[in-house]
Amino acid sequence: QQKVQQSPESLIVPEGAMTSLNCTFSDSASQYFAWYRQHSGKAPKALMSIFSNGEKEEGRFTIHLNKASLHFSLHIRDSQPSDSALYLCAVKNSGTYQRFGTGTKLQVVP
Amino acid sequence: NAGVIQTPRHKVTGKGQEATLWCEPISGHSAVFWYRQTIVQGLEFLTYFRNQAPIDDSGMPKERFSAQMPNQSHSTLKIQSTQPQDSAVYLCASSLQAHTEVFFGKGTRLTVV
Repeated sequence: QQKVQQSPESLIVPEGAMTSLNCTFSDSASQYFAWYRQHSGKAPKALMSIFSNGEKEEGRFTIHLNKASLHFSLHIRDSQPSDSALYLCAVKNSGTYQRFGTGTKLQVVP
Repeated sequence: NAGVIQTPRHKVTGKGQEATLWCEPISGHSAVFWYRQTIVQGLEFLTYFRNQAPIDDSGMPKERFSAQMPNQSHSTLKIQSTQPQDSAVYLCASSLQAHTEVFFGKGTRLTVV
């Protein structure tokens, strides 16, 4: 059964710093990889996703996927206090549902 | 577009009572998912429908949980004989197709006392 794990569990970074979040998965046949962000008391909301090996950048956010290493990551450039939230990674095989990690709680301090 | 609508937002039930949670997916979305979220377990998959048909309910505690999607505009999750360990936020989500981004509702916080 697919296992999705995130690290670290929590992270405190100063405003303006680069933040790096990690996600590992166990099934090499996985086809869809995504990051969601959940502000306190709100619903998770998709940030960005990737299907194939490599990098994808959208604004301050970059997702990097290495299927051979069973690992993908999210990098946040110039972190802002408004980025403080729970970050969830999700992995999906063809024809199934997205399986989520337990999350990394990020706090960006001014 | 009002997004995924879930009702009620909060529900308190006594141990052993029944709870029914409602979800209205985004119009035109063919896939509907139910998850539950707790601090300890995180976001756990329960079940999903595609074009109203049940596809996978492998995450559902079989004896007391059931889900239906009688039409394309709503789905229900029913929990019989609720137990304290059922306390969680139940999230409904929908997506245009099964392999794309899912959009979550605001959730129903269920508290079993």
